[in-house]
Amino acid sequence: ILNVEQSPQSLHVQEGDSTNFTCSFPSSNFYALHWYRWETAKSPEALFVMTLNGDEKKKGRISATLNTKEGYSYLYIKGSQPEDSATYLCAFGDDKIIFGKGTRLHILP
Amino acid sequence: NAGVTQTPKFRVLKTGQSMTLLCAQDMNHEYMYWYRQDPGMGLRLIHYSVGEGTTAKGEVPDGYNVSRLKKQNFLLGLESAAPSQTSVYFCASSSRGQIYEQYFGPGTRLTVT
Repeated sequence: ILNVEQSPQSLHVQEGDSTNFTCSFPSSNFYALHWYRWETAKSPEALFVMTLNGDEKKKGRISATLNTKEGYSYLYIKGSQPEDSATYLCAFGDDKIIFGKGTRLHILP
Repeated sequence: NAGVTQTPKFRVLKTGQSMTLLCAQDMNHEYMYWYRQDPGMGLRLIHYSVGEGTTAKGEVPDGYNVSRLKKQNFLLGLESAAPSQTSVYFCASSSRGQIYEQYFGPGTRLTVT
């Protein structure tokens, strides 16, 4: 059974500060690692799909890194804004993609 | 493009009743998924399909059946609803498998009393 762990569960960050959180996954038989952003009352939206060890992807102020050998990925948000408040999900697997429980990010004005 | 749509958006069932949730996508995606979302549990995979006519079990398949008779549609059935199936159900699709992002529908809120 694949186990995808995310930490922390919840995070409060002052507007303007930068932050990061972690996704851990099995390091054997790596396929792909996904990051999704999920705003309240909406559906999850894809941020990144990463497939190669050492991958680093960026979209605006959000970036992600991948270490498949040790089984973790970091998501970074630079200069947090109120619109960054959301739950950030990572997911791992082959055809059967398993999601972590998410990190709930609250941006404080 | 409508993307991924789900029908209905809300439903209340009594214990023992049956119903079918419909997911439709207009992106010609091969893969489709059904998830349930419960507080503190994140998204859990119920069943998935890697192509028309195929289905496979996910993490929590018990009490559900699925069918993928047409490429664009993925149906989730509850034969005898139980209160434990009260949840928000999300459908998703992707072009292929793991290296392609998933596109999610708006969700169906189901309450079983």
